[in-house]
Amino acid sequence: EIVMTQSPATLSVSPGEGATLSCRASQSVSSNLAWYQQKPGQAPRLLIYGASTRATGIPARFSGSGSGTEFTLTISSLQSEDFAVYYCQPYHNWPPFTFGQGTRLEIK
Amino acid sequence: EVQLVQSGADVKKPGESLKISCKGSGYSFSTYWIGWVRQMPGRGLEWVGIIYPGDSDTIYSPSFQGQVSFSADKSISTAYLQWSSLKASDTAMYYCARLKTEYSRSSPFDYWGQGTLVTVSS
Repeated sequence: EIVMTQSPATLSVSPGEGATLSCRASQSVSSNLAWYQQKPGQAPRLLIYGASTRATGIPARFSGSGSGTEFTLTISSLQSEDFAVYYCQPYHNWPPFTFGQGTRLEIK
Repeated sequence: EVQLVQSGADVKKPGESLKISCKGSGYSFSTYWIGWVRQMPGRGLEWVGIIYPGDSDTIYSPSFQGQVSFSADKSISTAYLQWSSLKASDTAMYYCARLKTEYSRSSPFDYWGQGTLVTVSS
């Protein structure tokens, strides 16, 4: 089973600034990596898949990069609605596809 | 429009059984894997497992194997998550979600249900 480690656990950023979230896999997942956003009281939402492809309706300020074991989610110019918890998830080869523990993005 | 609609919240006692549902619409229900995700209060997302409604093939996380079971009725486009004997530690929000790529078990979740809150308390 692939273990995903996200960092930092919490990130404090001011609106309008950028944020960089990291996700590391215990073994290579190629580009089979997704990012999700979850706001309080809501179901998660798919943001990025294939490590760098934005899902339908996701604003261009969200971008993903990386391959193998190191991945990054970058949010440029944070809006108030972007403050949430973000999870990465691999989907390489065979399940289970365990989520990372999450990064909480909070307003500074 | 793709939608997954889950059954409502439920409160049970330890030892009781429970079956929650997830009804899909707006797509070919039989040809997309459906997954279940647990979120305990204040905690992160846990991958429980997936089911292929076309033939009810299932894959469970080792952490949940033997603790829960999946089923599906493709005639009514509904997937189920079931417990035979609940424990207090099963208290959580449970989400169903569709895997994005038709036929593929190796795919992210693109559409999510609204969640079903299961509370187990004596």
